[in-house]
Amino acid sequence: QVHLVQSGAEVKRPGASVRVSCKASGFTFTASYMHWIRQAPGQGLEWMGWINTNNSDTGYAQKFHGRVTMTRDTSISTVYMELNSLTSDDTAIYYCARDWTYKAFDPWGQGTLVTVSS
Amino acid sequence: QSVLTQPPSVSAAPGQKVTISCSGTTSNIGNNYVSWYHQIPGTAPKLLIFEDNKRPSGIPDRFSGSKSGTSATLGITGLQTGDEGDYYCGTWESSLNSGLFGGGTKLTVL
Repeated sequence: QVHLVQSGAEVKRPGASVRVSCKASGFTFTASYMHWIRQAPGQGLEWMGWINTNNSDTGYAQKFHGRVTMTRDTSISTVYMELNSLTSDDTAIYYCARDWTYKAFDPWGQGTLVTVSS
Repeated sequence: QSVLTQPPSVSAAPGQKVTISCSGTTSNIGNNYVSWYHQIPGTAPKLLIFEDNKRPSGIPDRFSGSKSGTSATLGITGLQTGDEGDYYCGTWESSLNSGLFGGGTKLTVL
């Protein structure tokens, strides 16, 4: 069964960094791009970027350029999303999702709540 | 404000039909596939439609997708209370090489 399991909730101070992990199972890890999407409280979905799990190439939304880094560890089928210089506007649920076909995302991880508060 | 425009809310009675629109431009919907997602509050989104009009296995044929030019539509027939929640369209923005989602539509089954 195809499954994505993310790391647990985080509470961070403004200016800090956060790293969220996403462990894949049930499919060939290096055969799929992985994406990160976030959702602020009561808001819609916001695409953040992608990583090619085969060669670690990445592409980020302009909004996050210079502040986000996506990496992967093929030995444990895990992708990571690190976001730095956090502000309260970064408080959101962060999801990883597999690019199943032509930018259709399936499945999604369960989500990781990141709270930024002083 | 999202680049892809969806109505904020729609509603209909159980058993009825509803459609949700998603309007974009030639650089996104006009030249890329559209997918649709259903999100029940407190849970992760779930893929309903991919490549404009295809259903993943396990998604009932009450759900359908279509696209014409720079607009896409999700149709749901035989509405059930379990269909309530938020629906999002998604596609790719070719000019920015980035993903894109609509603002979401809240479906209420009266």
